[in-house]
Amino acid sequence: QVQLQESGPGLVKPSETLSLTCTVSGGSVSSGSYYWSWIRQPPGKGLEWIGYIYYSGSTNYNPSLKSRVTISVDTSKNQFSLKLSSVTAADTAVYYCARADVYLPDYWGQGTLVTVSS
Amino acid sequence: EIVMTQSPATLSVSPGERATLSCRASQSVSSNLAWYQQKPGQAPRLLIYGASTRATGIPARFSGSGSGTEFTLTISSLQSEDFAVYYCQQYNNWPITFGQGTRLEIK
Repeated sequence: QVQLQESGPGLVKPSETLSLTCTVSGGSVSSGSYYWSWIRQPPGKGLEWIGYIYYSGSTNYNPSLKSRVTISVDTSKNQFSLKLSSVTAADTAVYYCARADVYLPDYWGQGTLVTVSS
Repeated sequence: EIVMTQSPATLSVSPGERATLSCRASQSVSSNLAWYQQKPGQAPRLLIYGASTRATGIPARFSGSGSGTEFTLTISSLQSEDFAVYYCQQYNNWPITFGQGTRLEIK
């Protein structure tokens, strides 16, 4: 059974960089043909796919966030990470990491709330 | 970007009755449409993909239909555990986009 767990600060100051890590167990980030993804959900709102990293290391980002997003992978730790720069209050959300079979997330982390506030 | 519009925003239905949820895409997504269920404090769960194929372990009371720009999720006989928020998702074009959700509440 694949499990994912997000970790990182729950509070980030405006203009700083949000950094989250997703630790994967029960599966490998370097095997198969999955899209290791970050998806977020502002409080009380819908879902937004931030981007993903493929097992080969290639990435794809939502154009609305592309200038601020970096997703990377550390195969030695079986983790992948999200960095979102120059955050504002609009970036306050629950951030989920997920494994997607192509574009269908089948395993999700529990989600972590990140609040942007001074 | 393809905009997904769900209706209604809130649907009140009694247990045992049928619920019909709609999703419209701003342009054709073929059959690359999925439905998710989300309960408070939980991650979404995949219900339907390919517009009409149930994901593993999803009960037969959940069914999906449609293609192109108009899609429907039907829950044939509502159980207590079905009251939740439902999202549609198109995966025909990047960026992948979701609807704003339909909240299914007990009448």
